[in-house]
Amino acid sequence: NAGVTQTPKFQVLKTGQSMTLQCAQDMNHNSMYWYRQDPGMGLRLIYYSASEGTTDKGEVPNGYNVSRLNKREFSLRLESAAPSQTSVYFCASRGGLSVTDVAKNIQYFGAGTRLSVL
Amino acid sequence: KNQVEQSPQSLIILEGKNCTLQCNYTVSPFSNLRWYKQDTGRGPVSLTIMTFSENTKSNGRYTATLDADTKQSSLHITASQLSDSASYICVVSNYGGSQGNLIFGKGTKLSVKP
Repeated sequence: NAGVTQTPKFQVLKTGQSMTLQCAQDMNHNSMYWYRQDPGMGLRLIYYSASEGTTDKGEVPNGYNVSRLNKREFSLRLESAAPSQTSVYFCASRGGLSVTDVAKNIQYFGAGTRLSVL
Repeated sequence: KNQVEQSPQSLIILEGKNCTLQCNYTVSPFSNLRWYKQDTGRGPVSLTIMTFSENTKSNGRYTATLDADTKQSSLHITASQLSDSASYICVVSNYGGSQGNLIFGKGTKLSVKP
């Protein structure tokens, strides 16, 4: 049981290049998320997918696109990378929203992708 | 505006000592509050999650408290160990009809020295 797996772990891009960050979870979770974490700031939500087939914008979606490929996989794409997108990116998943089963609300995070855009 | 404020920003303690981290929030409507531990270079890992009706929850040497009236939470670490060195993140959830309704604090960076 690997949990949440992100690839790659590190990436260096030049301004204007594109790339896709991959995320997969093996916990049969409904919801998946992409966050970015910058020094001195809390985790900020980029996009999320409440369930297979749906995606929604978070707090900082500009410059990104996502695809919920199936229940397991949720990818994040940078079409034209900019230096402002230099950050650590985390994928997370959780069972879903539940008032009665609080454990379902716990998010599980991947190890992160460290991206530098030069 | 929904906000989560944590204090202190950073803290250095000696191994074996206790410490308390604080979290104040202005999130409405409140659903639950979680504390995460994030080791350097790793993703956050859940320590505790508390709903409105819970005012304390323990996970080993970690004890979280919640005062929903004053909108404050604390994380108490007992008999600290070197492995407790990490950032501790307070996250508050509100049920605004959206799955993306988690508000993250900026974290407290704890360093435990031998």
